[in-house]
Amino acid sequence: RKEVEQDPGPFNVPEGATVAFNCTYSNSASQSFFWYRQDCRKEPKLLMSVYSSGNEDGRFTAQLNRASQYISLLIRDSKLSDSATYLCVVLDLSNFGNEKLTFGTGTRLTIIP
Amino acid sequence: GAGVSQSPRYKVAKRGQDVALRCDPISGHVSLFWYQQALGQGPEFLTYFQNEAQLDKSGLPSDRFFAERPEGSVSTLKIQRTQQEDSAVYLCASSLNLRTSGSVGYEQYFGPGTRLTVT
Repeated sequence: RKEVEQDPGPFNVPEGATVAFNCTYSNSASQSFFWYRQDCRKEPKLLMSVYSSGNEDGRFTAQLNRASQYISLLIRDSKLSDSATYLCVVLDLSNFGNEKLTFGTGTRLTIIP
Repeated sequence: GAGVSQSPRYKVAKRGQDVALRCDPISGHVSLFWYQQALGQGPEFLTYFQNEAQLDKSGLPSDRFFAERPEGSVSTLKIQRTQQEDSAVYLCASSLNLRTSGSVGYEQYFGPGTRLTVT
């Protein structure tokens, strides 16, 4: 079983719609969580961190359910520029000298005009 | 300011050739990481440096892979006797040390990657 699992999609969504991505992680000791965005043939870039209480940044809302080891990302009023691959990412703090990120496969989103 | 840079951006190697990939991290970033990204997959961890010390190399797929960061700044990932399965994008990332940034402000900054094709 992969440490971080995501539905790879693709998700093809009309402009203006709301879309939700889900992700599960296997290491219950993991403490930091992120969503990264990766455009085609570009490097990953941090979209937002995911906090225990949930957090919002404009049209984007991220939530964490520790009991279920589940992370979500909601995009409201989707724009054409939201088309990208969204990567669910976990930072394992259990070995404190090691700061490696573990990535999911990524979910590909295409916003249709 | 300048971000993470990598060179070359593209590399074509014949099977059996050795290659060296360079990473220039953001100035002042203590932590440096190498990841491998195969087509259609997320990046996978290869190795991690804190300054010049290689603290974790558990992700290196074989002893043909070797990484160094001798002066705690620029890093080189070397692949010896390349095989077709080594074809991938190799991403370098840098960050402030987690103890400096704290987990809330933590971010790894990625370079544009080197796309390696082994023929």
